[in-house]
Amino acid sequence: DTAVSQTPKYLVTQMGNDKSIKCEQNLGHDTMYWYKQDSKKFLKIMFSYNNKELIINETVPNRFSPKSPDKAHLNLHINSLELGDSAVYFCATGDRKDEQYFGPGTRLTVT
Amino acid sequence: ELKVEQNPLFLSMQEGKNYTIYCNYSTTSDRLYWYRQDPGKSLESLFVLLSNGAVKQEGRLMASLDTKARLSTLHITAAVHDLSATYFCAVDMPGNYQLIWGAGTKLIIKP
Repeated sequence: DTAVSQTPKYLVTQMGNDKSIKCEQNLGHDTMYWYKQDSKKFLKIMFSYNNKELIINETVPNRFSPKSPDKAHLNLHINSLELGDSAVYFCATGDRKDEQYFGPGTRLTVT
Repeated sequence: ELKVEQNPLFLSMQEGKNYTIYCNYSTTSDRLYWYRQDPGKSLESLFVLLSNGAVKQEGRLMASLDTKARLSTLHITAAVHDLSATYFCAVDMPGNYQLIWGAGTKLIIKP
């Protein structure tokens, strides 16, 4: 039973489209995160939710909108996709002062 | 602003050799994490270091933390090819839910 799951694993789409990535965790953690990892492997925090409340909202284009319907789910919706959005997006979960557990990642390719 | 620097960023070494990866951070923090990422895979937690002088070992990897020097090291003993991966350190940002990540060290171990 996968602790942190993401769908889809791969996403290929054209510029200008809107897409969503979903994340689910069964670890019972209060906090969930979205990270972007670029081609140089640099990991950048995008958003974090704690008990469905947005607590971290880094400098990210407002085309990106997270939503947390409940504590176990955190989705990421991206509008008007651009070439520069191509990256691997990781969902992670953790409790405060604890290590984070990462999902398998979603490789987004914008053409 | 908390900054985390890893060095080296790239390391190519022969099997059987020893080497150390360094992680420096700029302000006080009481927790440091080491993660491993295999190519095309997710991030896996290796070590959680909670206090000054903490040392943890798993197989050929040993991590230590010196909070006074704001330095953690990841030491590889008698490297084997299976340890080839990218290694990240991350530091807990005080008063926040966020981890600050190093840029990663890509380690290649040649047979």
